[in-house]
Parts: sequence; C-alpha cells; structure tokens
Amino acid sequence: DVKVTQSSRYLVKRTGEKVFLECVQDMDHENMFWYRQDPGLGLRLIYFSYDVKMKEKGDIPEGYSVSREKKERFSLILESASTNQTSMYLCASRPGTSGPWGAKNIQYFGAGTRLSVL
Amino acid sequence: DAKTTQPPSMDCAEGRAANLPCNHSTISGNEYVYWYRQIHSQGPQYIIHGLKNNETNEMASLIITEDRKSSTLILPHATLRDTAVYYCIVRVVQAGGTSYGKLTFGQGTILTVHP
Repeated sequence: DVKVTQSSRYLVKRTGEKVFLECVQDMDHENMFWYRQDPGLGLRLIYFSYDVKMKEKGDIPEGYSVSREKKERFSLILESASTNQTSMYLCASRPGTSGPWGAKNIQYFGAGTRLSVL
Repeated sequence: DAKTTQPPSMDCAEGRAANLPCNHSTISGNEYVYWYRQIHSQGPQYIIHGLKNNETNEMASLIITEDRKSSTLILPHATLRDTAVYYCIVRVVQAGGTSYGKLTFGQGTILTVHP
C-alpha cells in the first residue's frame, strides 16, 4: 500500500514564525503536491513537484515555498506565517509516468496537517 | 474534465449496501471515472477507478453504464466508518510531470451510515 506521511497532524504557530511542513512517500512516485483545504473553497493547489529539485507554482503559491531535495520528501515552507494561512494542509503523491495508464492519475494523500496561526 | 453531478447527501443502514450515483453525461471517450472519499478531518482517500468496464477491489465496486454517462459506487456492506464525503471525478490521464494533474473536488455526496 502507498503510504504518504505528514509530519504533524496538528500545529499551532505564532504570526511571523517560519513553519515547515514535511511530507514523505514510500512508493517512489515522481509527482508530489501540496494543497490546502478550506471550508467552501475545496482543494487548492499550492505547489507541485514533478522530480527532485523541480517545482511548479500552483494556484495559490503566495506566502509559501517548497523544497524537494530527495524523491520521497516534499516540504512546504511558510516563510512568515499569517493568520490567513490557518488551514488544513494536504500532501499527495501520484505515479506520474509509471504503472497502468488509468492509475497514473491516482493521488494518494497524507492524513493532513491542521495548522492554526495565532 | 467532464462535469459530474452527485446527490448532496445519502443515508444508509449499517450492514446494507450503499449505492452512490454519479452523473457524467458529457464524458469523453478517453476520460476515466475516479472515486475518492474524505472522512471528517482526514486526507482524501482513493477508492476505485474505471474506464468502461465494471471494476471491483477490496473497498468497493464501480458500475459504469454502457453509454458511460453515469456510474455507481457500491459499498457492499457499509459500516459506520464509511461515513464520509464521496467524490466522483472524471478526467483524462495526465501522465508525466504536469501540474494539470492537480485534483479538484466538487461538492460530493455526504454519506451517513447509521446503526
């Protein structure tokens, strides 16, 4: 079974702090995603990585950065946390190029990190 | 991606089959049907997918009509732990490295399994 592990389930941070959210997947997937999920707004893509050291901005990258130094690990960084970044953060991975055709689209999610910025 | 329509909510008795419908009347020939669910305060979970044939795995069965304009997710023996929001998504395969592979969910169906 694919496993995507997010380092924390709950985090409470202060405004202005630098926050690191870590995500590790164990299936050698090429593609990894960071989303945030807010009531009424659904899933919104923050950043995407298609390979080590490669990244693309998603729909809402402002205030965030990412790091992918190893294939299995994708980190989301909040450079200076603000109250409007209080949210549920979800990491996902997907095969990308390997595996059966229809299965390439499947995204496997971590349990999520509920971040509160005070 | 083709638009999908799902009922906003459904109820099911524990131990009975839960049949969740999804309408995707504008689906194109190369689009797959995917189902995910999200239990409260957890990350979304992939359930099953299919192109045109019916599919079954350890979690559920997927029945796709012959014209592919609708599908039904079947949880054969629903338990209380199956209470969740269920999302039906239709999309072409985005192979390789592209952020077009990002996932977006509609409103989904809130399935409540009661004792």
